[in-house]
Amino acid sequence: GENVEQHPSTLSVQEGDSAVIKCTYSDSASNYFPWYKQELGKGPQLIIDIRSNVGEKKDQRIAVTLNKTAKHFSLHITETQPEDSAVYFCAASGGFQKLVFGTGTRLLVSP
Amino acid sequence: EAQVTQNPRYLITVTGKKLTVTCSQNMNHEYMSWYRQDPGLGLRQIYYSMNVEVTDKGDVPEGYKVSRKEKRNFPLILESPSPNQTSLYFCASSPTRLRAAETQYFGPGTRLLVL
Repeated sequence: GENVEQHPSTLSVQEGDSAVIKCTYSDSASNYFPWYKQELGKGPQLIIDIRSNVGEKKDQRIAVTLNKTAKHFSLHITETQPEDSAVYFCAASGGFQKLVFGTGTRLLVSP
Repeated sequence: EAQVTQNPRYLITVTGKKLTVTCSQNMNHEYMSWYRQDPGLGLRQIYYSMNVEVTDKGDVPEGYKVSRKEKRNFPLILESPSPNQTSLYFCASSPTRLRAAETQYFGPGTRLLVL
């Protein structure tokens, strides 16, 4: 089955810096890759996603890139702000119904 | 307000004492799912349901039961809880079963401690 690895497990940046979180997946049939943000005491919330027919997608300060050959996808956050502090999860899906999540990255943005 | 609700939010119990965590969504979603979140392991799917009376095992179903008698509700039942079921539990729903991996809405979570 699908396996998703996520790095780093923790990431500390200064406000205004960029942050990059990387994931790799094992199943070449996976075709949908969402990213979720989990704030303290809340459930995960979808922030951006990408499909396998697209190499990059942007939404304001966040972007996701996908390298199908290498089975890598990454989340990029530019101009980080303290409110970006949260746990971020990547996930992969190949069957429309099942999501396999990475292990999470705790991002801390210091003012 | 469109939402997924879970109750209770926090629960401390003892080994072997049956418990139920409720999940309800008010969005008329077809698909519902339960996950557990553990440090270093991310979210793992316990059970899911593609419609009323249709449920199936996820990746870690041992020790859990579910039911889907109504579209809006998807309770998680622990018949005989054990300490290794201490975890943070999330219920999620999605509008359609066909593309359930997309646009999953998560509840606020239930933190369970089994002594």
